[in-house]
Amino acid sequence: NAGVTQTPKFRILKIGQSMTLQCTQDMNHNYMYWYRQDPGMGLKLIYYSVGAGITDKGEVPNGYNVSRSTTEDFPLRLELAAPSQTSVYFCASSGPGFGSYEQYFGPGTRLTVT
Amino acid sequence: TQLLEQSPQFLSIQEGENLTVYCNSSSVFSSLQWYRQEPGEGPVLLVTVVTGGEVKKLKRLTFQFGDARKDSSLHITAAQPGDTGLYLCAGGNYGGATNKLIFGTGTLLAVQP
Repeated sequence: NAGVTQTPKFRILKIGQSMTLQCTQDMNHNYMYWYRQDPGMGLKLIYYSVGAGITDKGEVPNGYNVSRSTTEDFPLRLELAAPSQTSVYFCASSGPGFGSYEQYFGPGTRLTVT
Repeated sequence: TQLLEQSPQFLSIQEGENLTVYCNSSSVFSSLQWYRQEPGEGPVLLVTVVTGGEVKKLKRLTFQFGDARKDSSLHITAAQPGDTGLYLCAGGNYGGATNKLIFGTGTLLAVQP
């Protein structure tokens, strides 16, 4: 099992550009999450999904969008990138059932917006 | 809004010293987890505690869940350079059926050889 994979690992965007961060898990987990982490800080939840076709906002959703067409994939879309979106983005999954709280994280995508 | 505050925020110690990291909230959690994150990587789960007063040991690491399930502590005995990293606590609740976690503010530990 590869676990949770994320691409790309690094990306530099200009202000106003858009991009999609890819996330795939091969553990058949129902639950998937996107977090952002600013330097030396904890994790803030951007969006989450409880299954294919179902997504909901987390704590800091503004400027982002998600979709969940399959169990495996949970891409995060940034529209009109802003310097405030410079951060490290982590995708995570848990499951397969409710109550399985352990979250498995991908290696992260380091994004810089200039 | 549920919050988890960790203290201290930063800790730099010498190899062989003991330390304790605290994770506090005014909210009750069904479970409390501790993760360790190394530079350039995602967090990795160390332990989950679910019962008030529960104590779990993982080699030199001792984790405790408060009796009221509002706080937790992580104690490291005889710290080693390999313990260096960002330690995150995370609280979960059974209500809502989302498996969501609330992450703490983090404690950055540096163990000098």
